[in-house]
Amino acid sequence: DAGVIQSPRHEVTEMGQEVTLRCKPISGHDYLFWYRQTMMRGLELLIYFNNNVPIDDSGMPEDRFSAKMPNASFSTLKIQPSEPRDSAVYFCASSLAGLVTQHFGDGTRLSIL
Amino acid sequence: AQKITQTQPGMFVQEKEAVTLDCTYDTSDPSYGLFWYKQPSSGEMIFLIYQGSYDQQNATEGRYSLNFQKARKSANLVISASQLGDSAMYFCAMTGPNAGGTSYGKLTFGQGTILTVHP
Repeated sequence: DAGVIQSPRHEVTEMGQEVTLRCKPISGHDYLFWYRQTMMRGLELLIYFNNNVPIDDSGMPEDRFSAKMPNASFSTLKIQPSEPRDSAVYFCASSLAGLVTQHFGDGTRLSIL
Repeated sequence: AQKITQTQPGMFVQEKEAVTLDCTYDTSDPSYGLFWYKQPSSGEMIFLIYQGSYDQQNATEGRYSLNFQKARKSANLVISASQLGDSAMYFCAMTGPNAGGTSYGKLTFGQGTILTVHP
């Protein structure tokens, strides 16, 4: 079975540019999570969705960050404008309600120059 | 608020030996889940094992077992018969109440422990 698919795997861009990260959850999973991993702050939850509806976005650092889930098989995390401090690995994860275990994608390594 | 503490930044173990990675947690919720994830140098997050707060028995998955001591709020990971491929970062994490609760699904992670297996 296909796992959580993230794209791109690596992204290098200049400060001020718009960055869009993409995620395809495991088919049938109704929860989707976006995490960010940095050396300083470790792994932190940014936002999560249930049945395509954002449930908790309290971890989104600021208005430059936005996330959408237009359908059950696709989500985006957008940063506009990007800043060097946004450099991190961004993970998407999905789970099936009642089974609690979250399955992670391979992550997107983002570098903002 | 939930909190996970991993006090061992790094651990070393000889191949084929067992190793215990420590994890303590803090929560006021009676219902929660505890997880361990492995992150090899390639960066992906691999789910290892899960323990529910109401589970009576310690969880086991192959060479992994979770030593769950509820009164002490600890959830240590035991890896038996270590292999070179076990060298990685290990994260302990927890979620909140069951589905329907506002904190359902929100994984709170510890800072991780780097495990190095020596041949």
